[in-house]
Amino acid sequence: EVQLVESGGGLVKPGGSLRLSCAASGFTFSSYSMNWVRQAPGKGLEWVSFISSSSSYIYYADSVKGRFTISRDNGKKSLFLQMSSLRAEDAAVYYCVREYGDYKQGTEGFDYWGQGTLVTVSS
Amino acid sequence: QSVLTQPPSASGTPGQRVTISCSGSSSNIGSNYVYWYQQLPGTAPNLLIYKNNQRPSGVPDRFSGSKSGTSASLAISGLRSEDEADYYCAVWDDSLSGLNYVFGTGTKVTVL
Repeated sequence: EVQLVESGGGLVKPGGSLRLSCAASGFTFSSYSMNWVRQAPGKGLEWVSFISSSSSYIYYADSVKGRFTISRDNGKKSLFLQMSSLRAEDAAVYYCVREYGDYKQGTEGFDYWGQGTLVTVSS
Repeated sequence: QSVLTQPPSASGTPGQRVTISCSGSSSNIGSNYVYWYQQLPGTAPNLLIYKNNQRPSGVPDRFSGSKSGTSASLAISGLRSEDEADYYCAVWDDSLSGLNYVFGTGTKVTVL
C-alpha cells in the first residue's frame, strides 16, 4: 500500500524556519518525481515545488522561490522541504505528492497524496 | 491569482449531468495535458483524470474529461450525493518564468 506521511509542521514566528519531511513507503520511491502542494485554510490548492526522481530537475513556485528548498533522500525514501523567511501567507496544510512521468509526454498525475501537515505562521 | 479559471460553483440534482469548465492559455492548457482532482470535505485531494481524459483505476466512468484548444472540461454524469466536493483542474505551465504546476481556482459542486 502506497503511503506518504508528512511531519514537521507546527507554529513558527514570521521570519522563522521550518523543515518538513515526508516518509514514503509501498512503492519504489526512487522512480517517482515528488511535489509539495499547499492549501491555506478555506482556500484552493497551490503547487509549491517539484523534484525529479534523481533530483536532476527542481522547480519552485514564484511565491516561494529563494526561500524554500526541496530535496530528497532516495536511500531513506524521504522528501524534504526546508522553509525559511516564513510569512503569514505561507500558513497552510502542506501535502507531499507523488507523480510519475514526464510533463511533456503527460504524467500519470498527482496520484497519491499524504494526509498533510499544518504550518502556522504567527507571532 | 490562478491562470486557470473555473466557475466557483456548480450544482445539480441526483442523476443529472454537471459540467465544469477550466479556461487557460497557450502556455498551459494549449500545449500540455490537463489533470482533474476531487477534494471531499476535510480530506486530501484525489486524482480523477490524467492526461486530459484518462481515468485512474477505481475512478467511476461517470467522470470524464475533455480538452479543446486552451480550455478543458470535467463532466460528471449520473450525479450522486457523494460527488459533492471541490474540483480542481491543473496543468503544467511552461511560460517564460519557468515550469510551474498550476491549479485552477476550484469549483464547488453541490448536489441539490
